[in-house]
Amino acid sequence: ELKVEQNPLFLSMQEGKNYTIYCNYSTTSDRLYWYRQDPGKSLESLFVLLSNGAVKQEGRLMASLDTKARLSTLHITAAVHDLSATYFCAVDTPLIKAAGNKLTFGGGTRVLVKP
Amino acid sequence: EAQVTQNPRYLITVTGKKLTVTCSQNMNHEYMSWYRQDPGLGLRQIYYSMNVEVTDKGDVPEGYKVSRKEKRNFPLILESPSPNQTSLYFCASSITGQLYEQYFGPGTRLTVT
Repeated sequence: ELKVEQNPLFLSMQEGKNYTIYCNYSTTSDRLYWYRQDPGKSLESLFVLLSNGAVKQEGRLMASLDTKARLSTLHITAAVHDLSATYFCAVDTPLIKAAGNKLTFGGGTRVLVKP
Repeated sequence: EAQVTQNPRYLITVTGKKLTVTCSQNMNHEYMSWYRQDPGLGLRQIYYSMNVEVTDKGDVPEGYKVSRKEKRNFPLILESPSPNQTSLYFCASSITGQLYEQYFGPGTRLTVT
């Protein structure tokens, strides 16, 4: 059974400082996605990582994927209040019994950026 | 506008009273899925459907049923809800094999007392 572990589960950030969220997974996959969820809202896609060594950046967020280590990181540079949200990683793996894929999510990291 | 809609958005019900949460998408997607979200556990897949009349269990299917009679609709049925099904539910759709472009619905917050 695929396990996807995020840490930390909660991250209190100070504005202007840098932080990293880690996503470890237990089986082979070269597809991993990051999502953002604001309170009471649905999931918003942030990054799609489709190969080993993939790196994507958008504003203060940068995501990378190391498929050999089965690790993805979401790096936050110079945190600002607007980045307060819950962040999820999700690993894309083939279905066992049918053609197609499924997503397995990490437990989420709740980020709170304080002034 | 491409979207996935769910109804109701909020529901408080009692143990044992059958309920249905509807899900509809307007993108002609073959693949649809239901997830439940619980604190610290992320989203877990309940059921998925590869196309009309093709459904299968996800990771946490106990206590739930689904049907896919039309391509656009994928209702989630709780025949006899119990308090442990209190959760936030999301429907999602995508083109088969392109989960990186999965569209999520707005969510349905269900409370079972």
